[in-house]
Amino acid sequence: EAQVTQNPRYLITVTGKKLTVTCSQNMNHEYMSWYRQDPGLGLRQIYYSMNVEVTDKGDVPEGYKVSRKEKRNFPLILESPSPNQTSLYFCASRPGAYRGYGNTIYFGEGSWLTVV
Amino acid sequence: GQQVMQIPQYQHVQEGEDFTTYCNSSTTLSNIQWYKQRPGGHPVFLIQLVKSGEVKKQKRLTFQFGEAKKNSSLHITATQTTDVGTYFCAGPAGSQGNLIFGKGTKLSVKP
Repeated sequence: EAQVTQNPRYLITVTGKKLTVTCSQNMNHEYMSWYRQDPGLGLRQIYYSMNVEVTDKGDVPEGYKVSRKEKRNFPLILESPSPNQTSLYFCASRPGAYRGYGNTIYFGEGSWLTVV
Repeated sequence: GQQVMQIPQYQHVQEGEDFTTYCNSSTTLSNIQWYKQRPGGHPVFLIQLVKSGEVKKQKRLTFQFGEAKKNSSLHITATQTTDVGTYFCAGPAGSQGNLIFGKGTKLSVKP
C-alpha cells in the first residue's frame, strides 16, 4: 500500500530537548516536504526536498533542520524545541519534477507535538 | 509574496443544505488543487483543475476554476454528515511547484 509514514504520532517533550520526527515514503517519490498546521494559520511549509541531498527552506524554517540522505526518508529535526513549535506536523511527498500540473501531494497521518 | 485566500473560515449547515467554499489567489495559477481533511485526519487530495473555466464533478461535489485562473470554488449539494471536515485549496508557487494552501474552510453538518 502506498503511504507516507511518520513517527512518532504523538509526543510531549520539554523545552530544549532535541527530537526527531521521522518520515518515510514507499512510493519512490523524489519530492518530500514538511508542513505544520496551526489553528487559523492553515498548512505552512517548513522545508522541502527535491531529491536526495537537495533540501530548501519553506515559509517557516526557523528552529528546524532536515536531511535527505535516502530517497525514502526525510526526517525533521528540532534541535532545541520551544513551546511555539507545539503543532501538528505533516510530512508529504509527490512524484517527479514539477511540470505545471500533476503535482498532487500525499500526506502522512500527522505528528502531534507538544513542547512544554 | 503569493497568497491563496479562502472563505469562509467556518460554515455550519443543516444536513441537506448546500455548501460552497471560495478560493482566491493573488497570482494566476497553472493549476489548483482541493484537499479534504477529516477531523483528526490528514489532508487527502480530491481533485486538480488545470484549464481556464474548467468544471469537474465528483458525485455531489462540483469544482470550478475561474476564467482568469485566479479563483476557484467547491460546491457541495445536499450535504451529508460524511462531508464534515476542512476543505483546502492549494496552488503551486515558484519554479519548484511548492503548494501554497489556503487556510481552509471548516464544514460542520448538523444532522
